Amino acid sequence: DAKTTQPPSMDCAEGRAANLPCNHSTISGNEYVYWYRQIHSQGPQYIIHGLKNNETNEMASLIITEDRKSSTLILPHATLRDTAVYYCIVKSNTGKLIFGQGTTLQVKP
Amino acid sequence: DVKVTQSSRYLVKRTGEKVFLECVQDMDHENMFWYRQDPGLGLRLIYFSYDVKMKEKGDIPEGYSVSREKKERFSLILESASTNQTSMYLCASIQGSGSSREQFFGPGTRLTVL
Repeated sequence: DAKTTQPPSMDCAEGRAANLPCNHSTISGNEYVYWYRQIHSQGPQYIIHGLKNNETNEMASLIITEDRKSSTLILPHATLRDTAVYYCIVKSNTGKLIFGQGTTLQVKP
Repeated sequence: DVKVTQSSRYLVKRTGEKVFLECVQDMDHENMFWYRQDPGLGLRLIYFSYDVKMKEKGDIPEGYSVSREKKERFSLILESASTNQTSMYLCASIQGSGSSREQFFGPGTRLTVL
């Protein structure tokens, strides 16, 4: 199973875009990249996922490099409620998600 | 609204006790998972099941067993609880294998073993 590497923490000003990077250099061709976030004392919440193309939904955008070895989650206008731990995950064919350490995003007023 | 529920939010047990953590999903999902989450270690997969009565070991199965007698229910069992099993336990489910669909998580059970 592919592994992911993320910076342990990041800060972002409220109202600005938060760009969270992730490396997954060992990803295989049919493995999806998923992003979840976890707010304290809650279960992980799905944000977005992608395979090759960039994706956008109401929560975020996902930019995947052409070689698929890295990706960036973009929260276009971060709010204080976006403060959480963000996990970049590669999903194996069996459906299991391998979580890395995650990035603690602190949105500051 | 999809839902994964866990039997307890908080649980306190003593060393050597047998502990059952129950997880129920109402989405008719085939695959179910048990993770534990510890500070600095993230979420680690304990066991998963892709069908009734089927189970697969995850990354840290030692000290745990599981039971999947019905599709909607996946139980995690600590045969003899130890203090190093104090952790947050998260159950999750997903429809099918190789699917791109999201995995749904329960609210978690915070287990303390004294």
